[in-house]
Amino acid sequence: TQLLEQSPQFLSIQEGENLTVYCNSSSVFSSLQWYRQEPGEGPVLLVTVVTGGEVKKLKRLTFQFGDARKDSSLHITAAQPGDTGLYLCAGRVANAGNMLTFGGGTRLMVKP
Amino acid sequence: ETGVTQTPRHLVMGMTNKKSLKCEQHLGHNAMYWYKQSAKKPLELMFVYSLEERVENNSVPSRFSPECPNSSHLFLHLHTLQPEDSALYLCASSQGRWGIYGYTFGSGTRLTVV
Repeated sequence: TQLLEQSPQFLSIQEGENLTVYCNSSSVFSSLQWYRQEPGEGPVLLVTVVTGGEVKKLKRLTFQFGDARKDSSLHITAAQPGDTGLYLCAGRVANAGNMLTFGGGTRLMVKP
Repeated sequence: ETGVTQTPRHLVMGMTNKKSLKCEQHLGHNAMYWYKQSAKKPLELMFVYSLEERVENNSVPSRFSPECPNSSHLFLHLHTLQPEDSALYLCASSQGRWGIYGYTFGSGTRLTVV
C-alpha cells in the first residue's frame, strides 16, 4: 500500500472538459506538492500547499489541501492538449522526518 | 546553462559494464538527489546529498554508488546492473535541506540494461 494514493490512475478527456484528480492518505502531511511531468522530461513543480483548507490557483488549475491535511485535489478547468502529462503529488508526513514521498501519479491525456 | 542538466539522456549497457550518470545544477542549491522512476511505481528516492551529508535509501543495491564532489555536481556510478534496473533515473536539486520549497528535476537518463 502506497502512502499517497492518487486517483484516477489514467484519465482521457476531450479538450474543453473539466476534471479533478485526487491525492489521498491516512497520514497527516506538513506540506504537499504537485508536479507535472511531460513525456521525456522530469517533473516540474506546480504548487506547494502547507495550510489545511488552503486553495491555490494557477491559471486554469486549482489546488486544494484538505482541512485535515490528509488529502489534496487538483481541478483543471477547460482542459487543453498542453495539459497532457503525468500529475504527481508529493508530501511530507508530519512529525516523521522530512523525506518527500511521491504518489503513483495520474496520467492525463487531453484530446483535441 | 541554467537548471538541472543530466547526461547522458539515454544509456544502454550490458550487465557487466561500468558506467556513470552525471548531473549538474547551476541554481545555487545546496542539496541534490537521485530518484528512480520505474513503470507503474512511484518515484523512489535513492540518495540525498545535503550540506555534505549523504542519506541513502537502505533498499538501494550496492551496485549503485553515488558521488557528490561539490554542491553543483552529482554522479551515479553503475556496476554489474540487472535488467530490472532499467528505468528513468532522475536527478533533482533544492534550496534548503529536504527541498521544503520544492525540487528542480533534470530531464532524466533513460537506462536500459541488456
